[in-house]
Amino acid sequence: QVQLQASGPGLVRPSETLSLTCNVSGGSITTYTYYWAWIRQPPGRGLEWIGSVYHGGRSYYNPSLRSRVTFSVDTSKNQFSLKMTSVTAADTALYYCVREVIQSYYHFDSWGPGTLVTVSS
Amino acid sequence: EIVLTQSPGTLSLSPGERATLSCRASQIFRSNYLAWYQQKPGQAPRLLIFGVSSRATGIPDRFSGSGSGTDFTLTISRLEPEDFAVYYCQQYGSSHTFGQGTRLEIK
Repeated sequence: QVQLQASGPGLVRPSETLSLTCNVSGGSITTYTYYWAWIRQPPGRGLEWIGSVYHGGRSYYNPSLRSRVTFSVDTSKNQFSLKMTSVTAADTALYYCVREVIQSYYHFDSWGPGTLVTVSS
Repeated sequence: EIVLTQSPGTLSLSPGERATLSCRASQIFRSNYLAWYQQKPGQAPRLLIFGVSSRATGIPDRFSGSGSGTDFTLTISRLEPEDFAVYYCQQYGSSHTFGQGTRLEIK
């Protein structure tokens, strides 16, 4: 069974860049039926999709975050990553890395436990 | 952007009762690209239903999804104590959006 685990700094200063990496185990990141996604959840609030990346590098994004977000994939390490620039307090959230099934009605079937990122000086 | 509106915001029921959760979209999106998730405190969301009505692996058959167009429903036929949680719907049009959630609490 696939497992996902995000890691990265828990505290980022305003205007700086948030960087997270998700390690995928129990399955290959190059499996053609999956994208790999980032979804966040501010404390006490709902879910927001950030975007998704394919192992070949093709990505699609939440239009509201598109200008600040970059994804990358390292197939040799079975990892994918998120970079978000110019962060503000509004980016404080629990960040989930998630497997997205694209073979059948795009949906998110496996979630990591999430990593909390706080934006504060 | 397609907005999903879930109702009610909070639903108070007792174990054994039937729960009906609604998800309404602001416009029609890709046919059948509607999923439901359950989230318990301190846990990541869990996929329940995809493609409007297909149960994910390991999901009990008391959970069912239905709907079409812009109106969708998650039904829990007979509530178990472990079903009290927050539920989100999610759609894929050209991008993904989630509803704001329905909290199902014990009455």
